[in-house]
Order: sequence, then structure tokens, then C-alpha cells
Amino acid sequence: GDSVTQMEGPVTLSEEAFLTINCTYTATGYPSLFWYVQYPGESLQLLLKATKADDKGSNKGFEATYRKETTSFHLEKGSVQVSDSAVYFCALSAAGGTSYGKLTFGQGTILTVHP
Amino acid sequence: KAGVTQTPRYLIKTRGQQVTLSCSPISGHRSVSWYQQTPGQGLQFLFEYFSETQRNKGNFPGRFSGRQFSNSRSEMNVSTLELGDSALYLCASRPGLAAGELFFGEGSRLTVL
Repeated sequence: GDSVTQMEGPVTLSEEAFLTINCTYTATGYPSLFWYVQYPGESLQLLLKATKADDKGSNKGFEATYRKETTSFHLEKGSVQVSDSAVYFCALSAAGGTSYGKLTFGQGTILTVHP
Repeated sequence: KAGVTQTPRYLIKTRGQQVTLSCSPISGHRSVSWYQQTPGQGLQFLFEYFSETQRNKGNFPGRFSGRQFSNSRSEMNVSTLELGDSALYLCASRPGLAAGELFFGEGSRLTVL
């Protein structure tokens, strides 16, 4: 079945450092890929998405590129801020049909950014 | 626009009891999905409802069930509770069945003693 593997956390960075959170997936066809974020005390919210190979999703300075050849969707940000401290989840939804409401999530990566 | 509302936010039950959780989607959203979040298993898909019909189901035992009403509100029920059912249960909604963002509620935290 479908699966998502995220890098083990937690990740601790200083403000303005470069961030990479690795995400690889296993799925048939061309799934849609997502990064969701859960800020302290808040619900999960979509950070960015990509629906086809080579698409780049971006939002709030975060970027991720859908790499079909390496089945990856790594999250990057050039300069993190304290306010980026949160839990980040990589997820996929299977290609086509009525599967879009079914997300397969990675384990989540806790990011802590210090001033 | 009000977000996804889940009730109750916290509840404590004992083994063998049953529980019903409620989810009100964003106005106009017709699809509701349910997820279980635990420290060990992470976020796992339970089921999705659209137009009062279950469209997708995850790999959970039959003790987990759900339904959707004509106003798109949804409930999930867990019968014969086990200790391992302790979790945060998240509801998410989206406008229809096409690909799109899921909007999550804050969850119902269930503790089974």
C-alpha cells in the first residue's frame, strides 16, 4: 500500500538557518503530495502541495518539489524564524478517483527554532 | 467563515463503553473525513463521507463506524472501547470529492481508562 517516510526528528535550528525536512513516498501512479503543519495549540493546516511531477509547491517561504524519479517531496526554507516552530507532516493522496479525502501521512517532524 | 467544529474536545471513557464524536464541517463543504492521531501510529485515515455515503474506509476494525447527515454534519462512533483507542480524533472537510485542500478541526481527545 501507499506509505510516506519522513526524516526522524526532532529538528532544532537557530533563527535564519536553512531547513530541509526529507520526505519520500511509495505509491502507484502519480499521487498528489502535501505538506501540512501543526502549530502549537492549533489544528493541522495545509502548507503547500504539488499535484504532478516536477511541480513546485511554495508558501510562506517554504518550498517543495515533486520528484517522481526519486519519489521525494523534501521541504525547504532558506531562513527559518522562531514562528516556524511546529510539527510538519508530509502526506499523499492516491491518484485519481475519489481518493483525495484519504491522506496517507508521514510520522511528522518536530521543528524547534531558537532565537 | 467558521472552521471545522468538533465536539466534545475532551472526554474520558472506560474500557467497554462506547463513544460518539461529532463534526460540523465548514459551511458548504460536503465531504467529511476522520483521522486518528496517536504517538505510536501517527495520523491514520478512518473514513470519508460525502452526500451521506461512505466513500473510503481505512484499515480499522468494525468497532469504528460513522455516518453523515443531510446537512453534512458527521458523527463517528467507537463501540467496546479499548485502551488503545485513546487518541486524538481529527475531522477534516472539503467542498467536494475533487482534489483539494483538507480543512482540519482541532480534534476530540479521547482517553480510555
